[in-house]
Amino acid sequence: EDQVTQSPEALRLQEGESSSLNCSYTVSGLRGLFWYRQDPGKGPEFLFTLYSAGEEKEKERLKATLTKKESFLHITAPKPEDSATYLCAVQEYSGGGADGLTFGKGTHLIIQP
Amino acid sequence: GAVVSQHPSWVICKSGTSVKIECRSLDFQATTMFWYRQFPKQSLMLMATSNEGSKATYEQGVEKDKFLINHASLTLSTLTVTSAHPEDSSFYICSARGLGKNIQYFGAGTRLSVL
Repeated sequence: EDQVTQSPEALRLQEGESSSLNCSYTVSGLRGLFWYRQDPGKGPEFLFTLYSAGEEKEKERLKATLTKKESFLHITAPKPEDSATYLCAVQEYSGGGADGLTFGKGTHLIIQP
Repeated sequence: GAVVSQHPSWVICKSGTSVKIECRSLDFQATTMFWYRQFPKQSLMLMATSNEGSKATYEQGVEKDKFLINHASLTLSTLTVTSAHPEDSSFYICSARGLGKNIQYFGAGTRLSVL
C-alpha cells in the first residue's frame, strides 16, 4: 500500500490556467511534508516544507497547503517555465534515527504557451 | 547555496564489477546524507541514511554488503555497488542535510547501466 499518492499523474494546462496538484498520505506520525520540483536530468529542487495541518506557504506562483490527510500545491497563472515534475514526500517520526523521505510518484506538469 | 554534486552522472559497467558513486556537498557541511534509488515509472526509494563518521542505516530489503556506503567527511559520501548485476541498473540519487536543518538537498543523480 502506497504511503504517498499523487494525483493527477500528468497535467497539461494552458499558460495562465490555474490548477492544483494533490498529495494524499497515510503515515502514523507526520514529521513533515515536502514539495520538490524536478526537471529532466536533474535532481529534485526543494520548494516547501509543511509541518502542521492548516499551514500554508507561498513562493511566487506556488502555494502549498496541508491538512491531516493531504497536501495541495496550487499553481496560479502558470508560465511555461513552471513545467516540471512535482514531487511530494513525507517524513515520519522515527525512533531509529533514520528519517529519510517517502516520495510519491510525482505529477508531470506541462504548461503550454 | 545548498549545492550537492554527484559524480558520475552516467556509468556503464560489466556484470560482476564494482562501481563507486560520489556525493559532495559543495557549500555546506552535510552531517547526514541519504541515498535513494529510482526504477522507471516508480518513486524515489530510500536505500540508506548515513551520518558523518557512523555506519549507515539501511532500509529493509537493501543489502548492506552489496551497497557499501562511506560518509567519512562532512562533505563527501560514497556509494559503492559491489559485484553489480543487470538488476542493479537504476537511477541512484543522493541528498544531503546540514546540522540542525530538516531540508534535504539533492544531487543530479547517477544513471547506472550494468551489462
